[in-house]
Amino acid sequence: DGGITQSPKYLFRKEGQNVTLSCEQNLNHDAMYWYRQDPGQGLRLIYYSQIVNDFQKGDIAEGYSVSREKKESFPLTVTSAQKNPTAFYLCASSIRARMDTREQFFGPGTRLTVL
Amino acid sequence: SQQGEEDPQALSIQEGENATMNCSYKTSINNLQWYRQNSGRGLVHLILIRSNEREKHSGRLRVTLDTSKKSSSLLITASRAADTASYFCATRHSGGSNYKLTFGKGTLLTVNP
Repeated sequence: DGGITQSPKYLFRKEGQNVTLSCEQNLNHDAMYWYRQDPGQGLRLIYYSQIVNDFQKGDIAEGYSVSREKKESFPLTVTSAQKNPTAFYLCASSIRARMDTREQFFGPGTRLTVL
Repeated sequence: SQQGEEDPQALSIQEGENATMNCSYKTSINNLQWYRQNSGRGLVHLILIRSNEREKHSGRLRVTLDTSKKSSSLLITASRAADTASYFCATRHSGGSNYKLTFGKGTLLTVNP
């Protein structure tokens, strides 16, 4: 089955620790995205990547880092510098179209709780 | 800045009724998309409407776009309990070379059996 997977589903972290969230897709999409969702809120863009070995900051990149070494993978690291990391994290991917933005396909999400 | 704003924030209806949700935005767009999210899950794409389109249908969904008013509406006809979810609009700004979508805060739809 083609799709996008995220792991783990639930993640608990102590304050001061870095943690890495996994995102893998087998849809052959060039573009990948990380969003953060807080209760009752919409999605806020953390980082996005339009092609391998390239990524750009989104609206709330502070305290986060990413890498894009493979087309299929776009891991997100939540660092200790992120002041309020408890949230639901969603990864997405899409076709990279020159003149248009196509639909995004979302993973099931990772719920991160800082203890 | 927040691009899409959905209205109402919450909507509760009976099964069989129609549900209408609205989305307003501030700057010119290339396209507008609607997504659905079941509680605790990822988002699922429902429909995309381009800036040169005025109306689009997909099954029980009808989307309209009024670029002069910078607004869109999503109509779900003959609603079912399974339609209970949050619905988000997302916009892609005109111009630029990025592929970012800006999401609103969503409308929580509850369909009572």
